[in-house]
Amino acid sequence: DAKTTQPNSMESNEEEPVHLPCNHSTISGTDYIHWYRQLPSQGPEYVIHGLTSNVNNRMASLAIAEDRKSSTLILHRATLRDAAVYYCILNTGNQFYFGTGTSLTVIP
Amino acid sequence: NAGVTQTPKFQVLKTGQSMTLQCAQDMNHNSMYWYRQDPGMGLRLIYYSASEGTTDKGEVPNGYNVSRLNKREFSLRLESAAPSQTSVYFCASSEVRGAQHFGDGTRLSIL
Repeated sequence: DAKTTQPNSMESNEEEPVHLPCNHSTISGTDYIHWYRQLPSQGPEYVIHGLTSNVNNRMASLAIAEDRKSSTLILHRATLRDAAVYYCILNTGNQFYFGTGTSLTVIP
Repeated sequence: NAGVTQTPKFQVLKTGQSMTLQCAQDMNHNSMYWYRQDPGMGLRLIYYSASEGTTDKGEVPNGYNVSRLNKREFSLRLESAAPSQTSVYFCASSEVRGAQHFGDGTRLSIL
């Protein structure tokens, strides 16, 4: 069974905020939540990661629910370059468990 | 600014042949990883190496072996390739609990 579940696809208008949800109900106390994105024919690119508190970096923000069973990746202003497959990943020790990802389409 | 370099980029094998996929990183990371990605799927961890001299199985290790040659290099070997191993293989490196940096992948087809 997948450790993370995400919607298969989402759409956003350019320059609008995007909220990408992820459920990880089996998360344990020491598991980190990572987000990566992948363009066609490329390796995944790191976006952000966190443990319990919300995190911000230059690319995005990560909002983690208080019970840690879900999280949301927030892109503050979507651009055409943000169109990609976004993966929510549980990091348990040295193991990383990818879901099937959300394909984000950005509409000009 | 190489990051993680994988060779070869493409390979076609016949069933039963063997080959080694090479990976090198220049970021002085302790941890290295091998993943496979099947069409329409997320990545699945094959093997990882938390530090030089150590390797451990991931989610899908059957049919593969790895060698952590030194801190920079981590190779993946298919001893007897099978059509089910047709996939895109990604190598990554990181510091512990840190961001993973991925290579561009090796596209492997087994006939």
